[in-house]
Amino acid sequence: EAQVTQNPRYLITVTGKKLTVTCSQNMNHEYMSWYRQDPGLGLRQIYYSMNVEVTDKGDVPEGYKVSRKEKRNFPLILESPSPNQTSLYFCASSAVRPRHEQYFGPGTRLTVT
Amino acid sequence: DAKTTQPPSMDCAEGRAANLPCNHSTISGNEYVYWYRQIHSQGPQYIIHGLKNNETNEMASLIITEDRKSSTLILPHATLRDTAVYYCIVRGNTGTASKLTFGTGTRLQVTL
Repeated sequence: EAQVTQNPRYLITVTGKKLTVTCSQNMNHEYMSWYRQDPGLGLRQIYYSMNVEVTDKGDVPEGYKVSRKEKRNFPLILESPSPNQTSLYFCASSAVRPRHEQYFGPGTRLTVT
Repeated sequence: DAKTTQPPSMDCAEGRAANLPCNHSTISGNEYVYWYRQIHSQGPQYIIHGLKNNETNEMASLIITEDRKSSTLILPHATLRDTAVYYCIVRGNTGTASKLTFGTGTRLQVTL
C-alpha cells in the first residue's frame, strides 16, 4: 500500500530536549516536505526536499533542521524544542511529474512543555 | 500563487450532492485549481485538480467557470464520512513539485 508514515504519532517533551520525527514514504517520490498546522494559521511549510541531498527552507524553518540522505526518508529534527513548536506536524511526498499531487502522513502531535 | 476564497462552513444532507464553491479571481493562465480535504486532524487528502476543463474522478467532480475565476467541487452523493474541511488551492504547475498554500477552507458537515 502506498503510504507516508510518521513516527512518533504523539510526543510530549520538555524544552531543550532534542528530538527527531521520522518520515518515510514507499512511493519512490522525489519531493518531500514538512508542514505544521496550528489553529487559525492553517498548514505552513517548514522545509522541503526536491531529491536526495537537496533541501530548502519553507515559510517557517526557524528552530528546525532536516536531512535527506535516502530518497524514502526525510526526518525533522528539533535541536532545542521550545513551547512555540507545540503543533501538529505533517510530512508529505509527491512525484515531481506528471501530476505531483501530494500524499500526506497521518500527523505527529507534539507538545513541548 | 493566487489567493482563494471559500465559505467557512456548509451543511449537506447525506445522499445529496455537496457543492463547494471557491473564488480565485486573480488566477493566472498557468495556474491549476487543486482540492484537498482534511478529515478531523488526519493528513490532508488529495481529491482532484484541473486547469480549465471540467474534471471527474472516483471521488468528485470539478467544475471551473469559463473565465476560470471560480470553481465548484461536487461530491455527488455525500456520506457522513465526507464530513471534513475542504481546501481549494491554486498553484502553478511548472513541472516541478512545490508547496501547497492552504487557506482556512470550508468545513463541510454532512448530516442524516
